[in-house]
Amino acid sequence: AQRVTQVQPTGSSQWGEEVTLDCSYETSEYFYRIFWYRQLFSGEMVFLIYQPSFDTQNQRSGRYSVVFQKSFKSISLVISASQPEDSGTYFCALSELGGYKLTFGTGTSLLVDP
Amino acid sequence: GPKVLQIPSHQIIDMGQMVTLNCDPVSNHLYFYWYKQILGQQMEFLVNFYNGKVMEKSKLFKDQFSVERPDGSYFTLKIQPTALEDSAVYFCASSLQGISNERLFFGHGTKLSVL
Repeated sequence: AQRVTQVQPTGSSQWGEEVTLDCSYETSEYFYRIFWYRQLFSGEMVFLIYQPSFDTQNQRSGRYSVVFQKSFKSISLVISASQPEDSGTYFCALSELGGYKLTFGTGTSLLVDP
Repeated sequence: GPKVLQIPSHQIIDMGQMVTLNCDPVSNHLYFYWYKQILGQQMEFLVNFYNGKVMEKSKLFKDQFSVERPDGSYFTLKIQPTALEDSAVYFCASSLQGISNERLFFGHGTKLSVL
């Protein structure tokens, strides 16, 4: 069974700081992907980055990167040089190879102070 | 970038009535999805639709729910009859390939209020 857990319901940072948001997951599959999305206050879901399970290298995309600890079934999203525009709710989501659904975590609401 | 449009943004309806939520997916996408989000909670998968068929559905996709995309028009979610617990924001998403291969593009959501 798939399960995604985000234990930090809220987070905060100051402008320019690095922010780390944590996620853990459960899956019995060997091949899967972990996605990170940000939900804006309007409700829109914005894709940020994903990590495939077979890739041992941590993925990077602009100011976003992940710390992937496969053996612990844990993945963290790192936002460098955080800005007030980064405020929103961040969701971690799991998809298994061959499946058709994303299983989302409960999200972490981030506030970046100016 | 590519956009998924959802119409309407907010729908208010009396319990027991029928409602249809409309989604205009990204033009060349082949896979379509509906997700349900209750306020303050995570997004939960309802259904995936491809080539005119439901490929996978969750327990939340009750018998009162149905989806279709007639002749490449809107991808719709119909609830008949509605119940109070159907109140939520419903998100449509689309992708060119199946989810395991790529990201989803989400719409802004339709807030459904069942009274």
